[in-house]
Amino acid sequence: DSGVTQTPKHLITATGQRVTLRCSPRSGDLSVYWYQQSLDQGLQFLIQYYNGEERAKGNILERFSAQQFPDLHSELNLSSLELGDSALYFCASSPDRSWIWSTDTQYFGPGTRLTVL
Amino acid sequence: DQQVKQNSPSLSVQEGRISILNCDYTNSMFDYFLWYKKYPAEGPTFLISISSIKDKNEDGRFTVFLNKSAKHLSLHIVPSQPGDSAVYFCAALQIGNQFYFGTGTSLTVIP
Repeated sequence: DSGVTQTPKHLITATGQRVTLRCSPRSGDLSVYWYQQSLDQGLQFLIQYYNGEERAKGNILERFSAQQFPDLHSELNLSSLELGDSALYFCASSPDRSWIWSTDTQYFGPGTRLTVL
Repeated sequence: DQQVKQNSPSLSVQEGRISILNCDYTNSMFDYFLWYKKYPAEGPTFLISISSIKDKNEDGRFTVFLNKSAKHLSLHIVPSQPGDSAVYFCAALQIGNQFYFGTGTSLTVIP
């Protein structure tokens, strides 16, 4: 158990819909990262938040957005869903106390499996 | 644009033998390289990392080798154990930038 929790575990929805995935980081971790794992693309970094502010952006579509709240939990919002958005979405957290990227170990949550029908 | 590539989707090894997982990258500016291990239905877990200024890092049965001129890194597991059966992702990080992950190699260790 990494200490990172993600809800829900599974989500089935239809094309065109909007969903919200939730992540609670390990206690004391200030950084939250979102990743997408799909069969053809492997693990892709989407976005990082540090203490409520966006820190780094990866391959995140404009239809996707995220935020980190004052209690440090984070939400990933996916809208206008397409079949290709079906994937496993992971959240990870790390202490990351410096303002630049560090190699602090990232602790991954169990993931949310999104199926778009 | 896949900056980190794992060209072998799967690998099978006998228990007790050496497992060698390979990873190639294209960006010479990467500062760190990391390996993650992932079991089914779980998130990835950090395994071992190496700084770009080193060519080898060892942690127990796991050793990572970095060949900067070839832009290649490898993970050696010796001796391989059935519990090592998992998907292994290599990742590269440029400080101030983002993580790039490979597509993973599924390792099966045969008892």
